[in-house]
Amino acid sequence: QSALIQPPSASGSPGRSVTLSCTGTSRDVGGYNYVSWYQQHPGKAPKLMIYEVNKRPSGVPDRFSGSKSGNTASLTVSGLQAEDEADYYCNSYAGSNIWVFGGGTSLTVL
Amino acid sequence: QVQLVQSGGGVVRPGGSLRLSCAVSGFTFTDYRMHWVRQIPGKGLEWLSFIQADGRSKYYADSIKGRFTVSRDNSNNMLYLQMNNVRPDDTAVYYCARDFNWGCDHWGRGTLVTVSS
Repeated sequence: QSALIQPPSASGSPGRSVTLSCTGTSRDVGGYNYVSWYQQHPGKAPKLMIYEVNKRPSGVPDRFSGSKSGNTASLTVSGLQAEDEADYYCNSYAGSNIWVFGGGTSLTVL
Repeated sequence: QVQLVQSGGGVVRPGGSLRLSCAVSGFTFTDYRMHWVRQIPGKGLEWLSFIQADGRSKYYADSIKGRFTVSRDNSNNMLYLQMNNVRPDDTAVYYCARDFNWGCDHWGRGTLVTVSS
């Protein structure tokens, strides 16, 4: 049950795009299409942004998109806005009814 | 609307016990699997536990296996996390969350558990 690997920080200018990565193994990210992404603002509960690798829940702007290649999943935020500044966590199903989170990436909008 | 209202956090001594509760409303509880997730203040999220909709199957992260027990009362729309033999490194904000296609689409506001003598 090792944590997924996320870079600790990322940044981008308003209106630009940024891609956050999440690296796991063939036992989690690479083995299942059950990767989800969460946005968390300080003092708030996490919010689901992407599920099943690339699906958006109702109400999540289409500026947020997800993808996966091999053992690495990615979250792309296009048209960056000030409100996108937050921590982002990836999560993957790891088989046998176990899930694992990444360490999180702090996104700064410059 | 979907609501998950948490209670039961507080200060507990090492080796002690605490039960966290999560009262759900706004959806058919028996249709959904549920999770517990925690977050050490200033740190990342850690998945802890998962319970099937009927409550028959339960799963745990290695960090809490044998010490914590998840349960649910489908008659009263309640989810629980019984925490026994707690340790200082169990100090965290604990969240309950509703499973949605192997993600978590609704979360409680979290409850802080502090393990300290």
